[in-house]
Amino acid sequence: QVQLVESGGGVVQPGKSLRLSCGASGFIFSSFGMHWVRQAPGKGLEWLTVISYDGSNKYYADSVKGRFTISRDNPKNTLILQMSSLSAEDTAIYYCAKASVGLWGGGLDVWGQGTTVTVSS
Amino acid sequence: FMLTQPHSVSESPGKTVKISCIRSSGSIASNFVQWYQQRPGSGPIIVVHENNQRPSGVPDRFSGSIDRSSNSASLTISGLKTEDEADYHCQSYDGSNHWVFGGGTKLTVL
Repeated sequence: QVQLVESGGGVVQPGKSLRLSCGASGFIFSSFGMHWVRQAPGKGLEWLTVISYDGSNKYYADSVKGRFTISRDNPKNTLILQMSSLSAEDTAIYYCAKASVGLWGGGLDVWGQGTTVTVSS
Repeated sequence: FMLTQPHSVSESPGKTVKISCIRSSGSIASNFVQWYQQRPGSGPIIVVHENNQRPSGVPDRFSGSIDRSSNSASLTISGLKTEDEADYHCQSYDGSNHWVFGGGTKLTVL
């Protein structure tokens, strides 16, 4: 079935880096835009970044621009989020999600279960 | 712009509840609104896209609408069931390559 599985979360010290992965299955990964969204403890959802189906277009929220980098490996059906200069404000559950149409159309129709990132010394 | 949702709503089983999502600036009709359901410990699932479209598998008890006069979107759930108890998030595109989410509404069915 259609599935997204995030991995790579954990506890990291402030100022350090972390790499999250999202494995896709059950659909043609290389045909769809992909997003990362996070949710801080007790808070709402925050959109972070999107990458087009072929990796040629990438957009970021102001809160992570210059610190986070989205990429994808289509042959391996994998989405990546490289995070650097982490701070306590980055503590959250990180979700990858599939765009329904293009980058922005139809919403996000498939979500993973999330991976937890805790930034703490 | 921002999307503002009530922090929480509650209603009894079998009743109808309406969750609002108010857009702070620009017209609510400028960009489609989506709604997501998120049960505790789970990732969100989409229940309404493009203002009022239901994905396959979503019960017709869920419906979405927009109101230009109040510049808001709404998610209406009729015939409430205890399984509908969850957080609900609205979302829209800002026209500048960003998604915007509302703060989420906790629905209690009691």
